[in-house]
Amino acid sequence: GAGVSQSPSNKVTEKGKDVELRCDPISGHTALYWYRQSLGQGLEFLIYFQGNSAPDKSGLPSDRFSAERTGGSVSTLTIQRTQQEDSAVYLCASSPSFAGAKFGYTFGSGTRLTVV
Amino acid sequence: GQNIDQPTEMTATEGAIVQINCTYQTSGFNGLFWYQQHAGEAPTFLSYNVLDGLEEKGRFSSFLSRSKGYSYLLLKELQMKDSASYLCASMDSNYQLIWGAGTKLIIKP
Repeated sequence: GAGVSQSPSNKVTEKGKDVELRCDPISGHTALYWYRQSLGQGLEFLIYFQGNSAPDKSGLPSDRFSAERTGGSVSTLTIQRTQQEDSAVYLCASSPSFAGAKFGYTFGSGTRLTVV
Repeated sequence: GQNIDQPTEMTATEGAIVQINCTYQTSGFNGLFWYQQHAGEAPTFLSYNVLDGLEEKGRFSSFLSRSKGYSYLLLKELQMKDSASYLCASMDSNYQLIWGAGTKLIIKP
């Protein structure tokens, strides 16, 4: 697509429920990133996918968080047994191959997750 | 380790000039990026520097000194719409961006 698409844009869920957040990157972008941003805070790295390589999961805060990327395109971030501290904006970004590094990342509009 | 430092908050007056500084330390270097983020929105790309010197783009300019691990973003003729957070990020040897916490810029009339 023309840009990075994320859905849903807003999600309110009850504590203890599971949620799935979706990211559709720019067509042809090989790298895909998930970040979390709490109100007034910086970007917190969660997970990184590059082509067919094993993902870098070093930023996932607990084993309740997981992500997959099917067919090298769409990615889903799953949070199990949500907690109130999971409330934040979840941002997805994609970037082209190394040759396109100078273009940086393109971000989606994010999913605002509220756990009540 | 990897580290990006930038001021937490700055205040400037409409029509004036402001310089936002950033120092970086990353494993390898493939460029320095500045992004703008308005409240409640996603970050958007502003500039990219990989060679030393000043890159000018309209009212915004970005400077890089690789030997000093230093960059700044210069905003001229400030407008109220420039009120936002400005994120500095260094691209490391793996082509991943290491992000600063952002500088919140407040513009006063």
